[in-house]
Formats: sequence, C-alpha cells, structure tokens
Amino acid sequence: NAGVMQNPRHLVRRRGQEARLRCSPMKGHSHVYWYRQLPEEGLKFMVYLQKENIIDESGMPKERFSAEFPKEGPSILRIQQVVRGDSAAYFCASSPKTSGSPYEQYFGPGTRLTVT
Amino acid sequence: RKEVEQDPGPFNVPEGATVAFNCTYSNSASQSFFWYRQDCRKEPKLLMSVYSSGNEDGRFTAQLNRASQYISLLIRDSKLSDSATYLCVVTEGGGATNKLIFGTGTLLAVQP
Repeated sequence: NAGVMQNPRHLVRRRGQEARLRCSPMKGHSHVYWYRQLPEEGLKFMVYLQKENIIDESGMPKERFSAEFPKEGPSILRIQQVVRGDSAAYFCASSPKTSGSPYEQYFGPGTRLTVT
Repeated sequence: RKEVEQDPGPFNVPEGATVAFNCTYSNSASQSFFWYRQDCRKEPKLLMSVYSSGNEDGRFTAQLNRASQYISLLIRDSKLSDSATYLCVVTEGGGATNKLIFGTGTLLAVQP
C-alpha cells in the first residue's frame, strides 16, 4: 500500500534553470497539496489541486511557480528560472475526498531542492 | 501575531517522563486540528487528529479548547523514539480550501 511518492528526492539546479518536482498521491486520494519548508522554518502552504483543477493557489509566489495535476500522471510543481532563495524542501501531501472530516493529509518524503 | 504559535523548546526530558506541549491559534474559524511529528530532514507524519471532546491514542492525549483557541498534547512515559519536532496544525477555516497552517514546532529530546 504505497504512500505518497515524490521524485526526485534531491535536485540540484543552477540559478536560472528550471526545476520540476513530481508527486503521486496515495491510492484512492484525489486531492494534492504542495508545501514548502525553508531552512529552519515551518511548512508553508503553496497550492491545493484536484484532478485538472487548481482549487487554492494563495500560497504560490506570483511569478516563476506553477502547478498542475493532470487527468493522468503525477502532480507537477514547476519552478522556472530558479534563484538561491528557492532552495528548500518541497513536500507534497494527499487526502481522500473530503466528504468527511477532518481533512487528514499524508505527506510524501519531500524533494530537497538546492540552487547553486 | 502568528497564526499558530508554539513554544519552540527544546524540551529535554528523561525517559519515562510526562511532557506537555501547548499551542494557540488565531483563526476562530479553523475547523480541524492535528498534531504531526517531524524527524530531522524527514516529512511530517500525522500523529493524531484533535477533537473537541479530547482524544487519546496509547501514551498520547490531545485536547482542544475552542473558546480559548488552545490545543495541547500530552505524552506519557516518554521513549527515546519520541524525540522529534511536534507540529501543531490547524486548517485555515471555512470554505473549499483544505489548507493546513503549521506551527514552527516544538523540539523534544528524550534522554536515556
């Protein structure tokens, strides 16, 4: 019973390159969330998606960041023209349909992005 | 004011001790509450959801006081394996979003 899967686990990019982070939710989960944890800081919400829909992107930086969750395949968090300040751990979480409560979210192992 | 506030610690306790963590949240519309634990350089793992009536899971007891906007976690008979950062987490509030708001965590170090 696989949990949330993320790849790559570690990603090194030079300034100005693009970073693509992938997330496959737990089986049976249709909601995906992305969070970012900067060094020595707490996790911050970035975006909430369902299949083919962005539900809440209030935590996404206005530029360079985008996310998608296509009908087929994993969710992708894309960072264009990376800068050193993008270096962080990016965690994906998933939850089942929220017909009940609470909204328990289960996290993947994260992708550690280092921008050199 | 932070949305979710926790004492950062560290809490250094001997094995077998009882330790309590407290947390306050600022949004009275928050509807769901959780404790997660995070080991160093790992992902957060759900420890327990927190209900208004209070709930217990083995050595762990969580309490919620909506009037005071206060959440607590009690760990009895601490084990070395309990050493981790404990994250107080609430949902943002009503509406369609399931956004989680994290505290910065309380570090627990259980000593042999």
